[in-house]
Parts: sequence; C-alpha cells; structure tokens
Amino acid sequence: GAVVSQHPSWVICKSGTSVKIECRSLDFQATTMFWYRQFPKQSLMLMATSNEGSKATYEQGVEKDKFLINHASLTLSTLTVTSAHPEDSSFYICSALFGGYTDTQYFGPGTRLTVL
Amino acid sequence: SQKIEQNSEALNIQEGKTATLTCNYTNYSPAYLQWYRQDPGRGPVFLLLIRENEKEKRKERLKVTFDTTLKQSLFHITASQPADSATYLCAPANEKLTFGTGTRLTIIP
Repeated sequence: GAVVSQHPSWVICKSGTSVKIECRSLDFQATTMFWYRQFPKQSLMLMATSNEGSKATYEQGVEKDKFLINHASLTLSTLTVTSAHPEDSSFYICSALFGGYTDTQYFGPGTRLTVL
Repeated sequence: SQKIEQNSEALNIQEGKTATLTCNYTNYSPAYLQWYRQDPGRGPVFLLLIRENEKEKRKERLKVTFDTTLKQSLFHITASQPADSATYLCAPANEKLTFGTGTRLTIIP
C-alpha cells in the first residue's frame, strides 16, 4: 500500500506555544489529505479536509484559527496547533487520498501531542 | 445523526478459530465501507474496501460482507493468529470516512 509519513512522531510543548505537524505522501501525489484527532479509547474524528492549493474545509466544532492547515503541494500538508493548551493533547493522524472520494485513504503513523 | 456501532469493545478468540466482527450503522447510507487495523499508538492500516453494490470481498484470510438492507458489515478473520491481535475499525463512507470506536481483538494462543 501507499506510504504516508508524519513528523514528528511525538511532541511535548508548553501551554501557549504553537506546534507544527507535517504529513507527507511518499510514493504518490495525494489529491486530498485529511486530518483526524483521536483521544484515548475513542474513535478517530475528522478535523478537516485539505486540497492542494485551496483552503481547508473544517468540520463543525473545529476552530480553523486554532488548527491551521496548509497544503502546499500534492505531497505535503501541515497542521499547526496555535496557542496549544492541555486539552489539545491528543493523537493527531493524517491521511492521504489518491483519486476520488470512494478510493482508499492511507494513514500516517500519527503524532502524539502532549501540552503541559 | 449518523451512528456507527461495532458489536463489542473487546473480543477474545482462540488461535486457529474464525473471528467475526460486526459493524452496524444507522441514519446513514454509505456508498462504500472500509475496514482498518490499528495497533496501539499507531495510525490505522487499510485492510479492505467494499462498495454498496458488492456483497462480499476477500483478501487472503480476510472476508468482508456488506448488507445495505440490514445496514451491517461483517468482518471475518479465518485461521486467526496471535499476530492478528489489534483494534479493528470499520468506516462507512460517502465523501468522508466515519469511524466506529473499534473492536479490540485478542487472539489467544
């Protein structure tokens, strides 16, 4: 299957700082990338959908000014958590889609964010 | 609102037996459904995709069924092995994937 990487794999930061997470599709050009958040023992929740060269579409309840998404190329999307707080501590996972919406999403390994 | 239910939070199966996981959905008419495997601290790994016009899909020891009348998908692992132990997620979808909370499967040697 396709390979999607995330960097960093884990990060610890102080409250009030900003953290950037990168998501790369390594062996294909992704038409669309998605960002998910997963709290312990809970389901993956979609945060936003990102298409290269256009603004991200955020799900209801997700603050777009807090979770900045940049999709600079067909292989790179970044999520910046601005002014992070302890409640933002979670497992952030991206996925990449090659083709239409009914095709397979390939997920990255995830980034564990801990805000102190 | 859409609701995705996976039959049990945890399932223990003896090695060599068939594990069957259930995914039920309500208030939803997905065009397709995907199954993923997730290990602790890792992202989901794609296993199988089945479309609404397909009744069954197979891949090696895995089999998925999709019953749009019952609004249910069954996921089977035959000849189960301890390495199959993981959390399995179903994700019905139209344009976006909607994930269930998963079933934590443990294969007992």
